[in-house]
Amino acid sequence: GAVVSQHPSRVICKSGTSVKIECRSLDFQATTMFWYRQFPKQSLMLMATSNEGSKATYEQGVEKDKFLINHASLTLSTLTVTSAHPEDSSFYICSARGFGKGGRDRAEAFFGQGTRLTVV
Amino acid sequence: DAKTTQPNSMESNEEEPVHLPCNHSTISGTDYIHWYRQLPSQGPEYVIHGLTSNVNNRMASLAIAEDRKSSTLILHRATLRDAAVYYCILRKGTGANNLFFGTGTRLTVIP
Repeated sequence: GAVVSQHPSRVICKSGTSVKIECRSLDFQATTMFWYRQFPKQSLMLMATSNEGSKATYEQGVEKDKFLINHASLTLSTLTVTSAHPEDSSFYICSARGFGKGGRDRAEAFFGQGTRLTVV
Repeated sequence: DAKTTQPNSMESNEEEPVHLPCNHSTISGTDYIHWYRQLPSQGPEYVIHGLTSNVNNRMASLAIAEDRKSSTLILHRATLRDAAVYYCILRKGTGANNLFFGTGTRLTVIP
């Protein structure tokens, strides 16, 4: 099956610093990528949708200046948590959907393994 | 987005079948029913999806009610590796891409 790779899998940073998380689709072109956040024992919450070559669309309540998303190529999207604070500590997960053979839109989404961010 | 309702938790004995229910009474005609599962400390994993007819794949079966207001994910023989949170999600088939996760069902498999 298709593979989405997320890096790093775990990061600890100091309060006030910025952290960049990468999401790569390894064997398919991902025209659209999604970023989720998950707090302990809670469900995934969609943060934003990024489309290759255009600005990301953020869900209500998500600060676009704090969570910078860049989708510069069909295989890479990045999420930068700027000026991180302890309340930003969470499990961040990306997913990608793209095109399969013959240009068909793939029905299923593929998820990265997640990045556990701890801000101290 | 149409909402889904799932039991918070279920238990199953190892090697026995598991039926995970999902209610989606406000489903629209263009909504596909998707199932994903999330193992501890991992990203979700696609399981199966369908529109109207029952579906089978190597992981599971999906039984969809005739009125489409409910569905059941069937794991034919539960293993310890199937212990996860299972999410039933409706996705519009008209081009929308995003998936909104509910609370899911936490499946515990008892050896």
